[in-house]
Amino acid sequence: DAKTTQPTSMDCAEGRAANLPCNHSTISGNEYVYWYRQIHSQGPQYIIHGLKNNETNEMASLIITEDRKSSTLILPHATLRDTAVYYCIVRPAWGGSQGNLIFGKGTKLSVKP
Amino acid sequence: DTGVSQDPRHKITKRGQNVTFRCDPISEHNRLYWYRQTLGQGPEFLTYFQNEAQLEKSRLLSDRFSAERPKGSFSTLEIQRTEQGDSAMYLCASSPPGGAGTAFFGQGTRLTVV
Repeated sequence: DAKTTQPTSMDCAEGRAANLPCNHSTISGNEYVYWYRQIHSQGPQYIIHGLKNNETNEMASLIITEDRKSSTLILPHATLRDTAVYYCIVRPAWGGSQGNLIFGKGTKLSVKP
Repeated sequence: DTGVSQDPRHKITKRGQNVTFRCDPISEHNRLYWYRQTLGQGPEFLTYFQNEAQLEKSRLLSDRFSAERPKGSFSTLEIQRTEQGDSAMYLCASSPPGGAGTAFFGQGTRLTVV
């Protein structure tokens, strides 16, 4: 089962920041937080991941709380093309089942004009 | 295009028939994964390979399912005696050495069993 909890859906106005929350209160010390998204009729796409520090890349920023029990994915200037299902996943860096990413149902983000 | 390639993109088959899907991962990616996705659900893990070794299989992978990666490059997923419940999108992904969590997914094969 997925070890994360996300809202089922969210709306965001085009050009505004989209802030997608994720709760992972049972995260272990060796588990990373990964974010993927899936645009309709396509395979999932990797966005970003982090362990405990905030991370930023060309797609998004990841803010992880100090206790690591929750995180927020930020799309700074959402466009219509960011409409997708966003998945938050925790995965061990070593040990355990390293072979797979466990996807939940994700958050359906709708960016509106 | 150097991404993950899956073939075919769509497959319609009659119940009871066997089907085989192919996945070509990104060159030099040592890990290859198969997932299944039904409407409204997130992808479900089926199995993964590190090079040619199949290291993990989900309980979802019944005896009718078999996957191979004979030379550590492309992989095939075969479903024998298909059932209507096998109708789903079958996704393949690969990841590079040292980057097991950063998987690159293909476009998937949509299977419809009639």
